[in-house]
Amino acid sequence: ETGVTQTPRHLVMGMTNKKSLKCEQHLGHNAMYWYKQSAKKPLELMFVYSLEERVENNSVPSRFSPECPNSSHLFLHLHTLQPEDSALYLCASSQLLAGDEQFFGPGTRLTVL
Amino acid sequence: AQSVAQPEDQVNVAEGNPLTVKCTYSVSGNPYLFWYVQYPNRGLQFLLKYITGDNLVKGSYGFEAEFNKSQTSFHLKKPSALVSDSALYFCAVRDMDAQAGTALIFGKGTTLSVSS
Repeated sequence: ETGVTQTPRHLVMGMTNKKSLKCEQHLGHNAMYWYKQSAKKPLELMFVYSLEERVENNSVPSRFSPECPNSSHLFLHLHTLQPEDSALYLCASSQLLAGDEQFFGPGTRLTVL
Repeated sequence: AQSVAQPEDQVNVAEGNPLTVKCTYSVSGNPYLFWYVQYPNRGLQFLLKYITGDNLVKGSYGFEAEFNKSQTSFHLKKPSALVSDSALYFCAVRDMDAQAGTALIFGKGTTLSVSS
């Protein structure tokens, strides 16, 4: 496994629930990312945090709310989701160098009933 | 605008044969190029990258990729495929002049299936 951990690994929730996904990186990186991976669709970038500031928000619905309290932790708060939000949610981190690769966590498999 | 194309949804190859997974890119400046692999229910694992220098880049698990600037391609190759190489492969690009911290642009992925 990489130095990026995600919890929980699996989550089943109803449309009225509120839950949070957690990501932690142990690599000393200063940029973190949330991606959504749905079946048969390209990887979708959701949010980017650079030095704990949100620098990119790719038109993500407000039912997804990110939080980056420090450079090692990233959360994705979920509320009133829709069944089409069921997907694998991937967290990644990198150094703030354009040539540096991103390191990915194992993902959280989310199912919305 | 940056973009990445992986023209094949699936590549099938017999074990022991050479494999190629194709990738072409489009950036306004010079590119940083990456290959990742994803096994079922796992995150993406970094394989290799091209930053500058030698056009042939060697990476993990015996994979290599060749940067071709005139053809704007960065095809992934391996001389002898293994069944365990079966997975989903992603090509990604970032413009060298992009602001640091800019996320990578990923292709849609190519499923590699190696038969025994």
